[in-house]
Amino acid sequence: SAVISQKPSRDICQRGTSLTIQCQVDSQVTMMFWYRQQPGQSLTLIATANQGSEATYESGFVIDKFPISRPNLTFSTLTVSNMSPEDSSIYLCSVGGDTQYFGPGTRLTVL
Amino acid sequence: GENVEQHPSTLSVQEGDSAVIKCTYSDSASNYFPWYKQELGKRPQLIIDIRSNVGEKKDQRIAVTLNKTAKHFSLHITETQPEDSAVYFCAAGNSGYALNFGKGTSLLVTP
Repeated sequence: SAVISQKPSRDICQRGTSLTIQCQVDSQVTMMFWYRQQPGQSLTLIATANQGSEATYESGFVIDKFPISRPNLTFSTLTVSNMSPEDSSIYLCSVGGDTQYFGPGTRLTVL
Repeated sequence: GENVEQHPSTLSVQEGDSAVIKCTYSDSASNYFPWYKQELGKRPQLIIDIRSNVGEKKDQRIAVTLNKTAKHFSLHITETQPEDSAVYFCAAGNSGYALNFGKGTSLLVTP
């Protein structure tokens, strides 16, 4: 299985600021995804990060709030913009192939 | 889009007993059904998966069954151990693409 790392592992941010989360994979992958997991909840897909084109967002998530970059087949970033306390959550990247594996997650707290 | 229902939300069993978690899905085009185990503070870990061309799959104490006609699939854990205590998520989708997750089952195995 692919080795996936995320930075930062956790952060505490002030409302109104932005945070960029990085996801790095040790091998080239076609599909990368970003999920959100609110405390005690399930995983919700934010968007599919497409290499060389704009990300595909799920209903309820917009590019202005969650801009995503995918400059190559091993790396992606998710930015959480203009944060509010409701954005406090764990953000996970995952990579797809025959199976789907998750990165360790970024625990974000917004004060 | 795909809708995944998961039951029960909590399950408590005695060590050595069996545990069964059930999921239903709505999109007949889904062909990939993984199960993830998430321990507190950790990332979801893939424990077993099944594809639509197979009715049952087993890996030691864990088995998954799939009924495509009824659109439901189940996770069976036999001879449960305290270390099986965790939150289990079912998911449905197409291999290589984003997954839709159930709401999770919190399994507690008591000695």
